[in-house]
Formats: sequence, C-alpha cells, structure tokens
Amino acid sequence: EAGVTQFPSHSVIEKGQTVTLRCDPISGHDNLYWYRRVMGKEIKFLLHFVKESKQDESGMPNNRFLAERTGGTYSTLKVQPAELEDSGVYFCASSQIQGRESEQYFGPGTRLTVT
Amino acid sequence: DAKTTQPPSMDCAEGRAANLPCNHSTISGNEYVYWYRQIHSQGPQYIIHGLKNNETNEMASLIITEDRKSSTLILPHATLRDTAVYYCIVRVGGTGNQFYFGTGTSLTVIP
Repeated sequence: EAGVTQFPSHSVIEKGQTVTLRCDPISGHDNLYWYRRVMGKEIKFLLHFVKESKQDESGMPNNRFLAERTGGTYSTLKVQPAELEDSGVYFCASSQIQGRESEQYFGPGTRLTVT
Repeated sequence: DAKTTQPPSMDCAEGRAANLPCNHSTISGNEYVYWYRQIHSQGPQYIIHGLKNNETNEMASLIITEDRKSSTLILPHATLRDTAVYYCIVRVGGTGNQFYFGTGTSLTVIP
C-alpha cells in the first residue's frame, strides 16, 4: 500500500512569489491534515479536511495560505505571496477515521525555502 | 499546546533496550497517549498509542502507569536506525483530531 506522498520534495522561491504544495493521502483515507515546522520551532497543525470539507482551520497562520481538496482526494496548499517566515517543512498526514483513537500517517514533507 | 514533558536527549547502546520516559500529569481520563518518531529529514512515523493498558506491537511497547500520569516507550533491541527524535503526545479531548508535537527526546543509539 502506498503511503502519503508529497510534491515537490523541495521548493526554493523568492519572497513575493507563489508556491503550491501537493499532498496525496493514502487511498481510502477521508481525513487529511497539514502541519508545518518552521525553523527552530515545533511541528504545528495547520488544518484538517474530511473529504473535501475543511473540518478545522484553526492553525492556518493568515490569509496568504489557501488549502483545497477538490473531489476529496489530493490536497493542495498554496502560499501567495510567500514571505521569508514561511520557510520550513510542510507535512501532510492522512487517517482513515477521525477522533482520539486514530493514528495519522505522515508524508515525507516538502521543504520550502523563501529567499 | 503540548501536555507532555520529555528529557531533551538520551543515549542507548546498540542491542540494548531503549526506555524513553514521558510525563503527562494533567492527562484526562479519555485522552490517549501517542508516540511518534522523526528520523532526520523524514516525516513523523507512528509508533504506538494507548489509553490505560500496556500496549505492544512489532516496533515497541508502551507502558502506562496506573495513575496515567506518565508512560515509557520501550524499544526492546535498539539499532542504529532507531536514532531519531521521539515525541510523546497526549491526544487532546474534544475534536481530538490534531496532534500537538512538543520538543521530543533525541535518542542516539551508539554502536
């Protein structure tokens, strides 16, 4: 069974540009999550999709970040315009069920560098 | 935010058991304890989780004290590939869908 995949693995962009990150969850997993680790900080939750609906957006830092999951399969996270402080590693995770007893499976992450 | 306390770093000899402690003194009755690890430059990897009883799987064992205020992750025969940052996470009640990662314990397995 394929795990969570993310594309690209690494992206380098200039401040003010736009970047779109993609996540493909494990097949059959309705729940999809985005997390990120910015330099020197802990891994932080961004948002949670159930199928195509946003269940929890409480971790999204500001309106420069837009997440979508059209059709309830893969998800994209767009940063527009990118700022220097957006540099970090963006992780996607998926789970079959939601709730306290559901493990999340993480992808390898996308390393974003904003210069 | 993170409700757990872990030592920042530990060493373990290859082939020996690695015992990673975690304090979660404010845990509520319906909150699960999860363990993940992150090997350098990879995504967090699920290890094990439990509520009250001790749990064991092919990767590790989880020992939870009777009062649930602390737990220990045991890697029975540590290998060099187990060198990683280990996160003990209490799954918050309510919606309970997000994980709060703290700073974890950096485990180094020594040859």
